[in-house]
Amino acid sequence: AQSVTQLGSHVSVSEGALVLLRCNYSSSVPPYLFWYVQYPNQGLQLLLKYTSAATLVKGINGFEAEFKKSETSFHLTKPSAHMSDAAEYFCAVSPQGRNQFYFGTGTSLTVIP
Amino acid sequence: DAGVIQSPRHEVTEMGQEVTLRCKPISGHNSLFWYRQTMMRGLELLIYFNNNVPIDDSGMPEDRFSAKMPNASFSTLKIQPSEPRDSAVYFCASSLPQGHDNEQFFGPGTRLTVL
Repeated sequence: AQSVTQLGSHVSVSEGALVLLRCNYSSSVPPYLFWYVQYPNQGLQLLLKYTSAATLVKGINGFEAEFKKSETSFHLTKPSAHMSDAAEYFCAVSPQGRNQFYFGTGTSLTVIP
Repeated sequence: DAGVIQSPRHEVTEMGQEVTLRCKPISGHNSLFWYRQTMMRGLELLIYFNNNVPIDDSGMPEDRFSAKMPNASFSTLKIQPSEPRDSAVYFCASSLPQGHDNEQFFGPGTRLTVL
C-alpha cells in the first residue's frame, strides 16, 4: 500500500527563517516522490521531484528535498523564507512502474514579515 | 507546449442543472486524471484514464458524476444533476506513459459554484 503523511497542516515561519515541511511515505515498491506548490486560486505546480538519481534534489525558488530511504522521508527545505513562499505545499508518492499518484493532505505555509 | 487546458475556468449554476467540465491534456500524454479540491476534503482523485480507458473510478462520489475520454486529446467530467455540495475546484492533470517518472502536469482548474 502507498500513502503519504505530511506532519503539520499549518506551518508559520518568519521571513528569512528556515522552512522545513515534513513528508513521510510508505510504498511497497521503489517510489518516485514529488513536491507541488499551490498558490492561492491557482493550480498545482511542480517544485521538485525524486526519480532514483541523486538523493538531494534541488527545485525551483530555492527549495530542496532529501530522499532518506531509512527514514522513509522526503522533507522539503529552504534556507531563507520569502514572503512569496506563502502557499499550500503537497507531497506526493508514485510507485515506479505504475502511474498512480498519492497526495498528502497538504501543508499551508505562512510567512510572517 | 500550452500545458493542460481546462474550460471553463469558472462555472456558476443552479442546483439541478447539468454541468460539463472539459480538459485537453498535453499532447503525447496518455494518462489523464480528474481531481476535486475542497476546504473540507482537500485534494481527491475522482478518476483516471490510461490510453483513453478508465482505470480507477473509485473516487467518483456517486452516479451523478460521469467522465469520458473519447480520444487522446479530450476528456469531460459531467455532473447531472448538480448539487450545492459539488461546489469545488476541479483539476485535470496528465502524465507521460509508464516508463517515465510519472510526473503529473496540472491544469489551472475549474471553479464550480452550485447555488
